[in-house]
Amino acid sequence: AQKVTQAQTEISVVEKEDVTLDCVYETRDTTYYLFWYKQPPSGELVFLIRRNSFDEQNEISGRYSWNFQKSTSSFNFTITASQVVDSAVYFCALTQSGAGSYQLTFGKGTKLSVIP
Amino acid sequence: EPEVTQTPSHQVTQMGQEVILRCVPISNHLYFYWYRQILGQKVEFLVSFYNNEISEKSEIFDDQFSVERPDGSNFTLKIRSTKLEDSAMYFCASTKGLAGIGELFFGEGSRLTVL
Repeated sequence: AQKVTQAQTEISVVEKEDVTLDCVYETRDTTYYLFWYKQPPSGELVFLIRRNSFDEQNEISGRYSWNFQKSTSSFNFTITASQVVDSAVYFCALTQSGAGSYQLTFGKGTKLSVIP
Repeated sequence: EPEVTQTPSHQVTQMGQEVILRCVPISNHLYFYWYRQILGQKVEFLVSFYNNEISEKSEIFDDQFSVERPDGSNFTLKIRSTKLEDSAMYFCASTKGLAGIGELFFGEGSRLTVL
C-alpha cells in the first residue's frame, strides 16, 4: 500500500527565514508521481509541483525548491526567504502512474506559520 | 484562467437528509474526481470518473455515495442519507489526461456540515 508521511505537523518561522518541509513516501510502484499542494486558510488546494519518479533533478521555482531523493524516498520542499503569505498547510501527495490515475495518496500535511 | 467551480460553498443539513454537491469541471477535461477532507485531517480520494462511469473508488465511497454527470458540464456527488461523520470539505477535481499528461485542478471545495 502507498503511504506518505509528513512528520512535521506544525512549523513556525520568522519572516525571511528559510524552511524545509519533509515528505517521505512508500510505494511498490516503480513508476509514480509526487506532488506538493498548498492549502491556504481559505481552504482551496493549490498545485505547486509534480515530479515523476524518473526525474531526480532538483527543481527551483522562485523562492520554492524541491529535493527529490529516490534513494531515501523523500521529496522535500524548501521555501527560501519565507513570507507571511506562505502561511498555509502544505500537503505532499503520491500517485501511481502505471494506471495513470490521479488517485492521490496525501500526507497529513504540515502547517506552516510565518510570523512577521 | 479556467477553473473548477463548486456549489454550494457551504451546506448545512440534518442527519439523514440527502445532499447533492455540484461541480463544473474545466471544459476540455475528461477525468473527474471527488476528494474529501475531514476538518484538520488529510485529503482523501473518494472516486474517479471517466467516460460516464466510475473508474476507481475508495473504501470510503460506499453505497450511500453516488456520482453523476447529468449533462455536458456538471459533475455531481450525492450523499443519500447523511451521517455526522460525513461532515467534511468535499473537493472536486478534473484533469485533461492521466497523471503525467495533465495537471489535476481542484475546485475551492464545498463544506458540508451534518447536524
